[in-house]
Amino acid sequence: QVRLQESGPGLVKPPETLSLTCTVSGYSITSGYYWGWIRQPPGKGLEWIASIYHSGSTYYNPSLKSRVTISVDTSKNQVSLRLRSVTAADTAVYYCARDKSPEITTGVFDIWGQGTMVPVSS
Amino acid sequence: DIQMTQSPSTLSASVGDRVTITCRASQSFSTWLAWYQQKPGKAPKLLIYEASTLETGVPSRFSGSGSGTEFTLTISSLQPDDFATYYCQQYHTYSYTFGQGTKLDIK
Repeated sequence: QVRLQESGPGLVKPPETLSLTCTVSGYSITSGYYWGWIRQPPGKGLEWIASIYHSGSTYYNPSLKSRVTISVDTSKNQVSLRLRSVTAADTAVYYCARDKSPEITTGVFDIWGQGTMVPVSS
Repeated sequence: DIQMTQSPSTLSASVGDRVTITCRASQSFSTWLAWYQQKPGKAPKLLIYEASTLETGVPSRFSGSGSGTEFTLTISSLQPDDFATYYCQQYHTYSYTFGQGTKLDIK
């Protein structure tokens, strides 16, 4: 059974960098699938941030691309996200999720982590 | 970006009702649309993709239809477990966007 577990700092101060890690268990990320990050501000809707393949192929939301880096650590079976120069508007629950197709990015996410809440406040 | 607009924003219904949620896109695309269900404090759950393909394990009372700019999610007979928030999402372009959500609550 594939499981995703997000972990993060708990609190980030503006204008620092938010760093999150998604640990995948029950599946080796080198075997396939794109892995993505999606966020949800409190009481609001969902926003896709970025997706990555184990080879390093990446896709970014254009509205966040200048501040975001997504990466993989195959030795740890982890996917990471860095969001620079954060503001209060970046306060959200951050989810890690698996793209449904094993070989291409579809943008359909079929397995999700439980999410981690990241407040941004001074 | 393609903007996705859902209606209604809130829907009150009773167990056994048939309900329909609409999602409209700012640009036309084929059937690259998914629907998710989200309950409070939980991650979204994939229900439907390619506008009408039911994800494995999702009850058959859920169905999706549409193409172009207008899509619908229908629940044929509401069950207590279905009261949640529903989101549509387009994946036509490599800038996936979600609708603002439709909260389905108990009348």
